[in-house]
Amino acid sequence: GESVGLHLPTLSVQEGDNSIINCAYSNSASDYFIWYKQESGKGPQFIIDIRSNMDKRQGQRVTVLLNKTVKHLSLQIAATQPGDSAVYFCAPLSSYGKLTFGQGTILTVHP
Amino acid sequence: NAGVTQTPKFQVLKTGQSMTLQCAQDMNHEYMSWYRQDPGMGLRLIHYSVGAGITDQGEVPNGYNVSRSTTEDFPLRLLSAAPSQTSVYFCASSYSGANVLTFGAGSRLTVL
Repeated sequence: GESVGLHLPTLSVQEGDNSIINCAYSNSASDYFIWYKQESGKGPQFIIDIRSNMDKRQGQRVTVLLNKTVKHLSLQIAATQPGDSAVYFCAPLSSYGKLTFGQGTILTVHP
Repeated sequence: NAGVTQTPKFQVLKTGQSMTLQCAQDMNHEYMSWYRQDPGMGLRLIHYSVGAGITDQGEVPNGYNVSRSTTEDFPLRLLSAAPSQTSVYFCASSYSGANVLTFGAGSRLTVL
């Protein structure tokens, strides 16, 4: 089955810095890779996704990079703000209706 | 527009009791799913549905039943609760597929 791992379980940054959250995956058959943000006491919230035939996608202050050769993706957050403090999950979509969530990375932004 | 609504938010059960976690969405989403989240772990898929009348098992379906009689509702039933089912449960829906899910606020279940 799919396994998803994160290189850094915790990440602390200063407000205004850029943040990079990494994720490794094992199933190369995934069609989509999705990043979710989960604030304390809330359900996960969709941030951005990337199709497997792309290597970069940009959103508002966020960029996702996909390297299929080494089965790695990253989420870059520009000018990190205190409101970005949360747990971030990468989730490969391996087949219709089945996402596999990693254990998550805790991002803490210090004012 | 309420999005995905889960009830109850908190529940304490004794081992062997049964209960139903309710999930409703008002976005006319075809796809609905249930996840559980345990401390230090990501979300694990329990059951999902791609439309009314259709359900399928996820990664950890044992001990849980679901049905999808309407597009709006996707209840999760625990027939005989066990302490191992203590967890936070999230319902999620999307227009189609699982790549852009809208999650509910979660239901925290404790089984004594």
